[in-house]
Amino acid sequence: QVQLVQSGAEVRKPGASVKVSCKASGYTFIGSYMHWVRQAPGQGLEWMGRINPNSGGANYAQKFQGRVTMTRDTSISTAYMELSRLTSDDTAVYYCATQMATTIDPWGQGTLVIVSS
Amino acid sequence: QSVLTQPPSASGTPGQKVIISCSGSSPNIGRNYVYWYQQLPGTAPKLLIYENNQRPSGVPDRLSGSKSGTSASLAISGLRSEDEADYYCAAWDNRLSGWVFGGGTKVTVL
Repeated sequence: QVQLVQSGAEVRKPGASVKVSCKASGYTFIGSYMHWVRQAPGQGLEWMGRINPNSGGANYAQKFQGRVTMTRDTSISTAYMELSRLTSDDTAVYYCATQMATTIDPWGQGTLVIVSS
Repeated sequence: QSVLTQPPSASGTPGQKVIISCSGSSPNIGRNYVYWYQQLPGTAPKLLIYENNQRPSGVPDRLSGSKSGTSASLAISGLRSEDEADYYCAAWDNRLSGWVFGGGTKVTVL
């Protein structure tokens, strides 16, 4: 079955960067977009962008342009999301989710990123 | 604020029907499919409805989705205690060239 397993929780200081990984299994990794969505504490879902694992090309939400980089390593079926210049507003759970046909599903288990001095 | 507008809360007694609305505009709901997700506390979102009104296998038929113009709705009939969760609508937005979500609706079973 399709499964996405994300890296563990991270704590960073303001101004630092964080890189979250998402290992895919159970399907052809390069055949489906990988999306990143975040959720701040008590808040809703926010789409950050997506990467085409086949080409490596990525599209980012305007809010995160210049601060987010999505990459992938096809040899190990893993996608990465790196967010730089962190502030306390970036404290959130970060999810990866693959896109099967038109649908974003399933999702990884989420990675908590805490930004605190 | 979110591009898609949902009521922050909805409630009903066991067995009742609850309808959650999702209001958008032409670039998103007006021209693209709508998706619905359920999120239980501390867990990842779970797909309930795709392509406006299709249910993945395992989702009971007491959940249904519909779309009309620039609005969509999720109906939960025969409300059960396990339906207590947050529900989100989502769609691709042609103008933003990205996915947009509603702010979420918390469903409470009284």
